[in-house]
Amino acid sequence: GDSVTQKQGQVTLSEDDFLFINCTYSTTTYPTLLWYVQYLGQGPQLLLKVTTANNKGISRGFEATYDKGTTSFHLQKASVQESDSAVYFCALVDSGSWQLIFGSGTQLTVMP
Amino acid sequence: DPKIIQKPKYLVAVTGSEKILICEQYLGHNAMYWYRQSAKKPLEFMFSYSYQKLMDNQTASSRFQPQSSKKNHLDLQITALKPDDSATYFCASSQDRGKGTEVFFGKGTRLTVV
Repeated sequence: GDSVTQKQGQVTLSEDDFLFINCTYSTTTYPTLLWYVQYLGQGPQLLLKVTTANNKGISRGFEATYDKGTTSFHLQKASVQESDSAVYFCALVDSGSWQLIFGSGTQLTVMP
Repeated sequence: DPKIIQKPKYLVAVTGSEKILICEQYLGHNAMYWYRQSAKKPLEFMFSYSYQKLMDNQTASSRFQPQSSKKNHLDLQITALKPDDSATYFCASSQDRGKGTEVFFGKGTRLTVV
């Protein structure tokens, strides 16, 4: 079945550093790839969606792109702020059931 | 204003007991879901409902039973609780069940089974 792999468990950066988080995916159809952010004590919130139609998503200074050749997609931000500290999940919309398949999450800590 | 309300926020239960997790959404959505988050499996799909009908069930155990009394309600009954059931349970909803629709999550119910 469809799957997503997110290997970076923890990332610690300083303010204004560059952020890059990568995921790989496996699916038999055209993928719909998502990035969710979860702040402490909250549920996940959609940050970005990337599809084959747009190849790239941009929101709140974050950018997500995907590479069909390497079946990977990544999230980046040029200059992180302390308020960006949260857990970031990549996700894939399952081609059969339309359920969300989440990666294991990356805990981002941004030091002031 | 939270549009997906989950009650209670925290729940402590004794092994072997039964609990019901409440979820109501005020987004006018037709599809509702339950996801589970634990240290072992960060965010795991459990059930999906569309127009109050069960569409997908990825939960192996029959101890987990969703209940939809109204279109905007999807409660989760858990029987014969085990310590392994300790997790945060998230209710979610989307306009419809489909690839292009955004899924919104509630704040979760953190269940601890002792």
